[in-house]
Amino acid sequence: DSGVTQTPKHLITATGQRVTLRCSPRSGDLSVYWYQQSLDQGLQFLIQYYNGEERAKGNILERFSAQQFPDLHSELNLSSLELGDSALYFCASSPRGDYQPQHFGDGTRLSIL
Amino acid sequence: AQSVAQPEDQVNVAEGNPLTVKCTYSVSGNPYLFWYVQYPNRGLQFLLKYITGDNLVKGSYGFEAEFNKSQTSFHLKKPSALVSDSALYFCAVSDPYNTDKLIFGTGTRLQVFP
Repeated sequence: DSGVTQTPKHLITATGQRVTLRCSPRSGDLSVYWYQQSLDQGLQFLIQYYNGEERAKGNILERFSAQQFPDLHSELNLSSLELGDSALYFCASSPRGDYQPQHFGDGTRLSIL
Repeated sequence: AQSVAQPEDQVNVAEGNPLTVKCTYSVSGNPYLFWYVQYPNRGLQFLLKYITGDNLVKGSYGFEAEFNKSQTSFHLKKPSALVSDSALYFCAVSDPYNTDKLIFGTGTRLQVFP
């Protein structure tokens, strides 16, 4: 068990809809990362938050947004969903300090019908 | 730009034989390298990292990796493969401009046959 909790495990929705994915990091970890994993694109870094502030942005679409709350949990919001957004979405967390390993949750599988 | 390459999409090995999963990197400055493993329907799990020091790094589940600066490689090895090692393996390098952030390779699927 990595200590990172993601909910829900599965989401099935339709095109055009909006969903929110939730992540609780390991106790004490200040950084939260979001990744998208799909068969054609592999593992794509989306965004990183550190102690409530956005720290780095990757290949995140404008239709997607994220935030990290004062209790350090994070949410990834996906809107105007398209078929191509179907993927596994992972959250990871890491403690403060250089070169710390990231610890991943088991992901949310999003299926767009 | 920083990048990591995993030249093999899949590696097949018989149980009991040694295994190697290849990784090469391109970074500015000193490389800080990681290996992760992903089992079906699970998130990535950290195996080992190289920051500095000995070129041979030991990690979880009997895995080790050899850092080779001249060849810019960080290959993952295990002396004797197990069927349970079958999984997807990712190499990653730390972004020198944001040391928290990792740049992942495309992954190599390891299949160990009984």
